[in-house]
Amino acid sequence: SQTIHQWPATLVQPVGSPLSLECTVEGTSNPNLYWYRQAAGRGLQLLFYSVGIGQISSEVPQNLSASRPQDRQFILSSKKLLLSDSGFYLCAWGPGTVTFFGQGTRLTVV
Amino acid sequence: QKEVEQNSGPLSVPEGAIASLNCTYSDRVSQSFFWYRQYSGKSPELIMSIYSNGDKEDGRFTAQLNKASQYVSLLIRDSQPSDSATYLCAVNKKDSNYQLIWGAGTKLIIKP
Repeated sequence: SQTIHQWPATLVQPVGSPLSLECTVEGTSNPNLYWYRQAAGRGLQLLFYSVGIGQISSEVPQNLSASRPQDRQFILSSKKLLLSDSGFYLCAWGPGTVTFFGQGTRLTVV
Repeated sequence: QKEVEQNSGPLSVPEGAIASLNCTYSDRVSQSFFWYRQYSGKSPELIMSIYSNGDKEDGRFTAQLNKASQYVSLLIRDSQPSDSATYLCAVNKKDSNYQLIWGAGTKLIIKP
């Protein structure tokens, strides 16, 4: 069966520090991969999606970037975090439009 | 007009009653519709998917799709306190086989 791993579960980072969140999927090949952000009490905002290695599409221009160095690995990065980057970050995968989420990372920028 | 709209709630339902959650969408050509449940502080989990007009039942959950009226609903029978959560509606993005458009969610509270 397919599983998705995302870490860390919680993270507190100072403003201006870098960020790296990693996500891996097991049990499937060539999945669609997604990074979402959910601000407190708000809906899901799609940040990036990828349909293959090295193929990244950005939905929202900001100081975040994503990379897919391997088929089942998706990384979310930032060189300098802003206070507004705080939120619940969710990695997700899907064989098509159906989407399955990782446990999420709660990021607090202080 | 938002692409996918849900009443934010909270919707309060007595235990054992039927909870009815509604979602409307703007794109007439949407083909795939999903309901997710999200407990506070947790990630969303898929409850139901529906692709054709009519009803689809899975245990206590029934999804209803009406493409002509552009709405999709979720019924929860015999509501339990454990059903208290935020329910997210998602619809596939136009001309996309892998992107979803999300509603903001309806908070459901089941009162014992």
